[in-house]
Amino acid sequence: GAVVSQHPSWVICKSGTSVKIECRSLDFQATTMFWYRQFPKQSLMLMATSNEGSKATYEQGVEKDKFLINHASLTLSTLTVTSAHPEDSSFYICSARDPGTSGSPDTQYFGPGTRLTVL
Amino acid sequence: AQSVSQHNHHVILSEAASLELGCNYSYGGTVNLFWYVQYPGQHLQLLLKYFSGDPLVKGIKGFEAEFIKSKFSFNLRKPSVQWSDTAEYFCAVILFSGGYNKLIFGAGTRLAVHP
Repeated sequence: GAVVSQHPSWVICKSGTSVKIECRSLDFQATTMFWYRQFPKQSLMLMATSNEGSKATYEQGVEKDKFLINHASLTLSTLTVTSAHPEDSSFYICSARDPGTSGSPDTQYFGPGTRLTVL
Repeated sequence: AQSVSQHNHHVILSEAASLELGCNYSYGGTVNLFWYVQYPGQHLQLLLKYFSGDPLVKGIKGFEAEFIKSKFSFNLRKPSVQWSDTAEYFCAVILFSGGYNKLIFGAGTRLAVHP
C-alpha cells in the first residue's frame, strides 16, 4: 500500500515556542491530506483538511491561527503548532488521500504520528 | 450529528476464539466504510474497506466485515484470533458532504488475545 511518513516522530519543546510537523506521501501524489489529533486511549479527532494549493479547512473548535497548515506540494503538508502550551501535548497524525484509479473511491493512508510534549 | 459507535471498548479473548467487533454509524447518505488496526507502537493500517457491491468484504489477515445497510452496521469478524491480533481496532466512515469527504472514527476497541 501507499506510504506516508511524518517527521519528527517525537518532539519536546518549551511552552511558547512553535513546532513544525511534516507529512509526506512517499509513493503517490496527494491532493488532499488530513491532520488528526489523538488523545491517550481515545480515537482520532479530525483537526483539518489540507488541500494542495489552497487554504486548509478546519473543523469546528480548532483554532486555525494556532494550528497553521501548509500544503505547498502534492507530497508535503506541514502542521505548525504556534506558541505551544502544555495542553497542546498530544499525538498528531496525518493521512494522505490516495485518489486511486479513475472511478474508484479514495482511501486514506496514515503516517506513524508525531508525539508532541510541551513543557 | 454524524457519528460512529463501537460497542466494545475492551475485548479479551483466548487464542482460537472467534471475534466480532460491532460498529454502527448514524448517517443516512452515501457512506464508505473502513476498519483500521493500530498495533502497539505502530501507525494505523487499513484492514478492509467497503465502497459498494458485495456487502461481505474480506480484508487482510483473515478479517472480514459485513455491511448491513438496514442496521447501519459494519461489524468486523475473524473466525479464529491469534496472539498477534492484539491491537486497537477503529471503525471509520467517510461522509460525502459539502464538496469534500471527511473520515469519522469510532472510539476504538482494544483487543487483547491471550495465548
